[in-house]
Amino acid sequence: KAGVTQTPRYLIKTRGQQVTLSCSPISGHRSVSWYQQTPGQGLQFLFEYFSETQRNKGNFPGRFSGRQFSNSRSEMNVSTLELGDSALYLCASRDRGDGTDTQYFGPGTRLTVL
Amino acid sequence: DAKTTQPNSMESNEEEPVHLPCNHSTISGTDYIHWYRQLPSQGPEYVIHGLTSNVNNRMASLAIAEDRKSSTLILHRATLRDAAVYYCILRGGGGSNYKLTFGKGTLLTVNP
Repeated sequence: KAGVTQTPRYLIKTRGQQVTLSCSPISGHRSVSWYQQTPGQGLQFLFEYFSETQRNKGNFPGRFSGRQFSNSRSEMNVSTLELGDSALYLCASRDRGDGTDTQYFGPGTRLTVL
Repeated sequence: DAKTTQPNSMESNEEEPVHLPCNHSTISGTDYIHWYRQLPSQGPEYVIHGLTSNVNNRMASLAIAEDRKSSTLILHRATLRDAAVYYCILRGGGGSNYKLTFGKGTLLTVNP
């Protein structure tokens, strides 16, 4: 099976703009989670989607939002970008029915805010 | 979320065993212990997980203390490709409240 794919891989934006990142999970996986990774804060959980519904949310401001489509693909949106939003955004999918809770991560999208 | 404590860094020689420790003294009875690793410029990769008993898979072994307050990830023969940041994570809950809480991890350096 193909792994988790994320597009784009690299992105440069300026403060105040908004950005949309895309994630395609492993075929058959219906759960998609998003994480932010920065040198200072490490890996932090943003939110998880399952069956097009947000199931869990981390401690991030409302500028960070997401959605999931019926084919399990997910998008994450960040509005009114700030310099501190520069980070690696990782998407992970899992098969909630396989009993292992293993998460499979994509390569990430590197966002730079100028 | 229950916390884990890991050394910031460790060093090993190629083809020698590596024991990566993790302390989790506030673990609850239903918390699973997960290990992930992140190679340079990649997303994290699942390594192994367990609840109470020791576990083995093709990548590594997980030794869990009897009181579950600590665990050790064992790489039986380190290779240069094992150089990565290793994260020990307690995964609690399940179903709709699933998330991974990553700490700082242990940076493993493997010397040729």
